[in-house]
Amino acid sequence: DAKTTQPPSMDCAEGRAANLPCNHSTISGNEYVYWYRQIHSQGPQYIIHGLKNNETNEMASLIITEDRKSSTLILPHATLRDTAVYYCIVRATGKAAGNKLTFGGGTRVLVKP
Amino acid sequence: DTAVSQTPKYLVTQMGNDKSIKCEQNLGHDTMYWYKQDSKKFLKIMFSYNNKELIINETVPNRFSPKSPDKAHLNLHINSLELGDSAVYFCASSPYSYNEQFFGPGTRLTVL
Repeated sequence: DAKTTQPPSMDCAEGRAANLPCNHSTISGNEYVYWYRQIHSQGPQYIIHGLKNNETNEMASLIITEDRKSSTLILPHATLRDTAVYYCIVRATGKAAGNKLTFGGGTRVLVKP
Repeated sequence: DTAVSQTPKYLVTQMGNDKSIKCEQNLGHDTMYWYKQDSKKFLKIMFSYNNKELIINETVPNRFSPKSPDKAHLNLHINSLELGDSAVYFCASSPYSYNEQFFGPGTRLTVL
């Protein structure tokens, strides 16, 4: 699986959009971009994933650049409960690839009042 | 109605002991996993089982033995516990080859 690079930490104001960048310059054509988050002392929680197109769900939006070498997770209206470590993960899917998630250091996001 | 549950939540034990952590999922998923999160907070996969069959084993010492009595359960047995085994262990599940993994609340293991 391709390696990802994220800033170690960032602050965000409550009610504002939080934009979390991720670089994955070695991503392969069959690899998806996934985002998980881990709120303190809890298990990781799936947020969103995408391959080429931008994606949106009830939690967040995922913007993937045209060359797929980087992406941005957008939390549209950050709340204090969004304070967590956010992980960007790149991996292939399908039985041959297995279902292994390789977590990096993530970005520690602190939402401030 | 917890989706993925683990017991116990906390486990404190002496070096050299043998202990087990249990995991159960009620989501009807085919695949279950064990991850370890160490003191530096890095999450690493240890094992993955699909329909009771081992499919991922990430060079974990053979003191760690997963056991899957049925596809809803994946237990982790650890023999001869060492100080370095202290960590938080997370169980997860997913439908096979599916995108989203559901994680349990974790078991904090402390070896004294």
